[in-house]
Amino acid sequence: VLTQSPATLSLSPGERATLSCRASQSVDNFLAWYQQKPGQAPRLLIYDASSRAAGIPARFSGSGSGTDFTLTISSLEPEDFAIYYCHQRSDWPPWTFGQGTTVEI
Amino acid sequence: QVTLKESGPTLVKPTQTLTLTCSFSGFSLVTSGVGVGWIRQPPGKALEWLALIYWNDDKRYSPSLTTRVTITKDIYKNQVVLTVTGVEPTDTATYFCARDMALHRRFYFDYWGQGAPVTVSS
Repeated sequence: VLTQSPATLSLSPGERATLSCRASQSVDNFLAWYQQKPGQAPRLLIYDASSRAAGIPARFSGSGSGTDFTLTISSLEPEDFAIYYCHQRSDWPPWTFGQGTTVEI
Repeated sequence: QVTLKESGPTLVKPTQTLTLTCSFSGFSLVTSGVGVGWIRQPPGKALEWLALIYWNDDKRYSPSLTTRVTITKDIYKNQVVLTVTGVEPTDTATYFCARDMALHRRFYFDYWGQGAPVTVSS
């Protein structure tokens, strides 16, 4: 089980966002972060806990290993207001998603 | 350019079988290190992984749905098909297909389709 906190983060453009994802058991560093905007498909931001996917801006960074992970957006741009999900790829299924954190203005 | 697109019925009656097709381009399911998976999202809720199929025909299913879900591939048509038997209103969701790609040491969903909304109702 992946537990994300907070459920909602209310921030202004230019501020720093820190999102948390906690796993009920170790997933090593096999964790990804996705961004989803209303009516759109999720977009891969981070994989292996800290590697940015192709084309993802440097303001997005991930950290953590084992059971505790963080996604940081260093300075929020208007297009960053969305829902963020963490997703674990441990050795065996089920490969679960967190319940999401909404970053709102 | 990698693209995926889901297709299938938008309305299904309870107890019926739901069949969804993912048509993709820009990659091949005969290439080592590639898979295609299905993920669904009930209205206003989180994502739920359902099934995966890989280039070598290895298949993985969510334990909560393994008795009701089947995934197959057609490498000539570049399609992956998901069937869900005995649907219930709780299966109402947007169904996404996504490419599962080996990135460093693990597979991750790196490209997604736009999703296909499915309602289960009589």
